[in-house]
Amino acid sequence: GQQVMQIPQYQHVQEGEDFTTYCNSSTTLSNIQWYKQRPGGHPVFLIQLVKSGEVKKQKRLTFQFGEAKKNSSLHITATQTTDVGTYFCRGNDMRFGAGTRLTVKP
Amino acid sequence: DSGVTQTPKHLITATGQRVTLRCSPRSGDLSVYWYQQSLDQGLQFLIQYYNGEERAKGNILERFSAQQFPDLHSELNLSSLELGDSALYFCASSLRDAKPYGYTFGSGTRLTVV
Repeated sequence: GQQVMQIPQYQHVQEGEDFTTYCNSSTTLSNIQWYKQRPGGHPVFLIQLVKSGEVKKQKRLTFQFGEAKKNSSLHITATQTTDVGTYFCRGNDMRFGAGTRLTVKP
Repeated sequence: DSGVTQTPKHLITATGQRVTLRCSPRSGDLSVYWYQQSLDQGLQFLIQYYNGEERAKGNILERFSAQQFPDLHSELNLSSLELGDSALYFCASSLRDAKPYGYTFGSGTRLTVV
């Protein structure tokens, strides 16, 4: 069955650097959702993208949905230590991508 | 507080035993999902219930079962426990059966099998 593939698995950045995680599917997605899980915490819903080519922003976070609705990205500008955590995407079904763990060095 | 309540928060039990994890969904949500997260791993989908009925199954072992009651709370039963069952078990809820509603997760139950 379809499951979204997420890369990279890990990303370590210096505070102030940008960060991007990608979610890819072999099939067309009707929507994609992004979640953040802080260390020791539970996943928290961030946003949902539905339209082809859609771009949404939340402060320093920019979410994009590809034109073909087969891929999506989450970009963080000028990372802060509060951005630390694992970012998950979820496509059409109940399964989540493997996640990208972000660590930020102060 | 996300609105999804999971109990207990921690559970330590021996191999071969049986435990029950409980989840109360956010008020108004009809769907409940169970996920397993092993140490530093991803979220493995186990099972979904919608308004009392099983709706989808994921990688749930035969030793595991779940149900959703008329008041919409759900229980996940894990039996014949093995060391490898040690993990965080999350419950999530959403308003409807499927997309496009985001999931609200509970704080999880950390199960340790010794």
